[in-house]
Amino acid sequence: GENVEQHPSTLSVQEGDSAVIKCTYSDSASNYFPWYKQELGKRPQLIIDIRSNVGEKKDQRIAVTLNKTAKHFSLHITETQPEDSAVYFCAASRGDSWGKLQFGAGTQVVVTP
Amino acid sequence: DSGVTQTPKHLITATGQRVTLRCSPRSGDLSVYWYQQSLDQGLQFLIQYYNGEERAKGNILERFSAQQFPDLHSELNLSSLELGDSALYFCASSVGTGGETQYFGPGTRLLVL
Repeated sequence: GENVEQHPSTLSVQEGDSAVIKCTYSDSASNYFPWYKQELGKRPQLIIDIRSNVGEKKDQRIAVTLNKTAKHFSLHITETQPEDSAVYFCAASRGDSWGKLQFGAGTQVVVTP
Repeated sequence: DSGVTQTPKHLITATGQRVTLRCSPRSGDLSVYWYQQSLDQGLQFLIQYYNGEERAKGNILERFSAQQFPDLHSELNLSSLELGDSALYFCASSVGTGGETQYFGPGTRLLVL
């Protein structure tokens, strides 16, 4: 089955700097890659997603890039703010079972003022 | 508020017991997903139902079962509970069969003593 590895497990950045989280996946048939943000004590919320027919997608300060050949995708957060502090999860699924998301282990991001 | 509701919020029970967790999806959503979140296992996909039918299955234990009713609410039944079943159980819903935003409920925190 699909295996998703996520790095780093923790990331500390200064407010205003950029943060990058990387994920690799094992199943070459995977074609849907969402990112979820989970604040302490809260539910996960989708922040951005990308499909395999697109190499990059951007939404304000958040962007995701996908390299299908290398089977990895990354989340980029620019101009980080304290409210970006949270755990971020990447996930992957394939078209014959899009709902079956395989999540990475998560990255704890801490933005210090 | 995502529009997904889960009851109860907290549940404390003993080993060997059986519990039922309930989820009501957002209005109009046909898919319901169940996830287990524990400290050492991260977010684990358990099962997905779409319009009353099982759609995808993850690493759900045989002691666990789920169903989706005609009004689209879902229940997750956990039996012969073990200490290791203590976790946060999330329900999520989406409009279609997958590959789209999943809206998470607030979760049910289960503690098995």
